[in-house]
Formats: sequence, C-alpha cells, structure tokens
Amino acid sequence: NAGVTQTPKFRILKIGQSMTLQCTQDMNHNYMYWYRQDPGMGLKLIYYSVGAGITDKGEVPNGYNVSRSTTEDFPLRLELAAPSQTSVYFCASSYRPDRSGNTIYFGEGSWLTVV
Amino acid sequence: DQQVKQNSPSLSVQEGRISILNCDYTNSMFDYFLWYKKYPAEGPTFLISISSIKDKNEDGRFTVFLNKSAKHLSLHIVPSQPGDSAVYFCAAMGGGSNYKLTFGKGTLLTVNP
Repeated sequence: NAGVTQTPKFRILKIGQSMTLQCTQDMNHNYMYWYRQDPGMGLKLIYYSVGAGITDKGEVPNGYNVSRSTTEDFPLRLELAAPSQTSVYFCASSYRPDRSGNTIYFGEGSWLTVV
Repeated sequence: DQQVKQNSPSLSVQEGRISILNCDYTNSMFDYFLWYKKYPAEGPTFLISISSIKDKNEDGRFTVFLNKSAKHLSLHIVPSQPGDSAVYFCAAMGGGSNYKLTFGKGTLLTVNP
C-alpha cells in the first residue's frame, strides 16, 4: 500500500543544474499536486493536474515545469536551479473533487538544497 | 498577501489540558476549512475539516469551531497528549471547482508530559 511516493528524499544541487523530482501514486487518483514548503512558511502550490495530459499553474510556478503523461506519475522539473528553490517539496494526490480534504494524500517530502 | 493566517508559531501545553490553535482568513470565497497535522520528516495528514455552513465539527478529541463573521476558526484538542506534538496547518478551499488548498504557516504544538 504505497500511496504517494516521492524520490529522491534528499538532494543537493549546484546553481544552474537541473533535476526532476519524481512522484508516483498507486491509488488511481485523477488529481495530483506539487507544493513547496519554505522554513517557517505554509505549503504553497506550484502546479497541479486534474488528469493525464492536463496541467495548470498554482501560486508559485516560476522556475518549474511539470508533465502528466500517465495517471500515476507527475514529475516536477527544475531547469536552472536557484538558491530560492531550496525548500521541501510535497507531492499530493486525490481521487475526485472532494471538499472534505480527507481524500488528499501527501507524500513524505523531498528536501532540496541549492548551493 | 497571506489569505490564511496562523499568528502563533508555537504553543506549549501540559498533557491532559486543552490545546487551542487559532486561524484567521481573509478570503470570503473560502467555503471549506481543514486542519492538517505534520510530524517531522513526514507529509501532512488530514485531521478534521468544517464546511462554512457549519459552526462546529467534532471528531473524538478534536473539535473545530468556525466563526464566519470574524473569519476565524480554531482547533481544540481535549485532552492533549504527548503524541499530539506536531505542526498543525490550517488550510482553506475556495468556491466553485477550485479544490486547491491555501495553507497557513503552521503552529508547532508541544504537549509536555
């Protein structure tokens, strides 16, 4: 019962490098999200997807790209890493629009440091 | 422009006493409010929610109160237990087909034995 799986858990990047944070869910959820959490701050939405082939920007999309070629996977791409992207990244998924909130499942987080 | 505010970064209570965590919001379009709990090195997990048409929702030791006129909600934990020590995030959802969450900064609750 994996749920939402994020890799890698920790990564150190140099300025200007690129990388992809992987996110996979095995619950057949339509909706997937990427959030970032800066120290002492709440989670901010980067991108989200309502189904395969459909993505949209959240609050803080600059510097990131996403794709959703399958229902299961929602990778987050950093093209030119900057120190401002040092953060903890959380992937989440949900089955269908549900206002109760208890159908949104989060991964364990990916700690990214850009130096 | 913070639409969901948790003004207390931390709270410390004794085991067995009540914990009260507060949250204020500014966006009148929010119509669903949620509390998430987060332990270190883990993702947030859902705790309890409330619709804007209600003023109270209870689940075991956890109760959420909503005051729409004041744009204020609070989470009560009674009795508090050491295992409740975590960061608590208040979050809100907008109306229509927008199911994205807007989070507050979180409150670190420490329950002392």
